[in-house]
Amino acid sequence: DAKTTQPNSMESNEEEPVHLPCNHSTISGTDYIHWYRQLPSQGPEYVIHGLTSNVNNRMASLAIAEDRKSSTLILHRATLRDAAVYYCCQGTNAGKSTFGDGTTLTVKP
Amino acid sequence: EAGVAQSPRYKIIEKRQSVAFWCNPISGHATLYWYQQILGQGPKLLIQFQNNGVVDDSQLPKDRFSAERLKGVDSTLKIQPAKLEDSAVYLCASSSIDRAVYEQYFGPGTRLTVT
Repeated sequence: DAKTTQPNSMESNEEEPVHLPCNHSTISGTDYIHWYRQLPSQGPEYVIHGLTSNVNNRMASLAIAEDRKSSTLILHRATLRDAAVYYCCQGTNAGKSTFGDGTTLTVKP
Repeated sequence: EAGVAQSPRYKIIEKRQSVAFWCNPISGHATLYWYQQILGQGPKLLIQFQNNGVVDDSQLPKDRFSAERLKGVDSTLKIQPAKLEDSAVYLCASSSIDRAVYEQYFGPGTRLTVT
């Protein structure tokens, strides 16, 4: 079964960059890597996705290792509103997503 | 654009009772998912629909859980009879077919407590 592993928690200072790692050693060649984040009492929110190349959007950047067995979500300047649980996922071509147990990000002012 | 709607938001039942959750996806989204999220864990896929057909229900405990998506729009998830270990948040998500591979929109979830 597909499985992603992430650190349980990370801390960052406000306005500093944050690098959230994820291992997805069982990923197949056609699986996407995507990240969601979840605030308390809310459903997960899409952040970013990639297949092989690094990706940037208005929320974050995604760096994918050359062998695709790991990736890193980069928040360039953390704000207090970025405090959340961040989930790294593998997604198949059929749209099935396997979520990890997430990293709780704490942002300190 | 309206988001994914779910009801109820909270439900408390006793074990062996039955319960049903309702989901209305984003208009036009053909793919609909139900996830179970136990406290401290990531969401676990229970069932995936495309229109009104089941794509994947391999992790749905079929002896007690059932789901349907009549007419390819709204969906209901039922648990009968409930067990203590079913206490969790039940999340509904939807996606357009071309973006289902990576981008799902989630509802706020229904928090179920089984006593």
